[in-house]
Amino acid sequence: DQQVKQNSPSLSVQEGRISILNCDYTNSMFDYFLWYKKYPAEGPTFLISISSIKDKNEDGRFTVFLNKSAKHLSLHIVPSQPGDSAVYFCAASLEGTYKYIFGTGTRLKVLA
Amino acid sequence: DADVTQTPRNRITKTGKRIMLECSQTKGHDRMYWYRQDPGLGLRLIYYSFDVKDINKGEISDGYSVSRQAQAKFSLSLESAIPNQTALYFCATSDPAEYQETQYFGPGTRLLVL
Repeated sequence: DQQVKQNSPSLSVQEGRISILNCDYTNSMFDYFLWYKKYPAEGPTFLISISSIKDKNEDGRFTVFLNKSAKHLSLHIVPSQPGDSAVYFCAASLEGTYKYIFGTGTRLKVLA
Repeated sequence: DADVTQTPRNRITKTGKRIMLECSQTKGHDRMYWYRQDPGLGLRLIYYSFDVKDINKGEISDGYSVSRQAQAKFSLSLESAIPNQTALYFCATSDPAEYQETQYFGPGTRLLVL
């Protein structure tokens, strides 16, 4: 049973436009959410995170939004750049467990 | 130099063989993890260790074992490899003292079981 879902396996966006990657979860006890980016032949790298007590966190071109009532989070990248082309994983954790549950990933392609 | 390294980076083996994947880290983190990535399934936790004397099963530990030889080293073994263990394997580390306990991943080991 997939507790963290990324329903779009792929997304293509023009350079300079906004990329929106979505993630849904089923467990209302998750209290911390993260986004990781993965390039080919490399391990995932941490991008941005958000605590369940917030609904928005921003870091440069990257913003994560959390809608707890809908059990939904999204990652906005604006403006998108070709170097953003990668697979993006969302992850969630339960307080005190220190374990992440990952989504299946969304492959983003930013077209020049 | 990479903070989290994995060896080998690629491995082809036959069904029934025993193999070991190794992970080393220079970050000084106490916590280490092993994940596997399969197409359409994301990353799934196999085993994790919060210190040298602590080993815990993750969501998919069957068919795997681990050894935490030192703070810096965490090995994953497949006692008798089978084809459905073909996957990309990642090691990760974390530090609970960090404000937000980010996990840092190695570059991965691509394993093919024939």
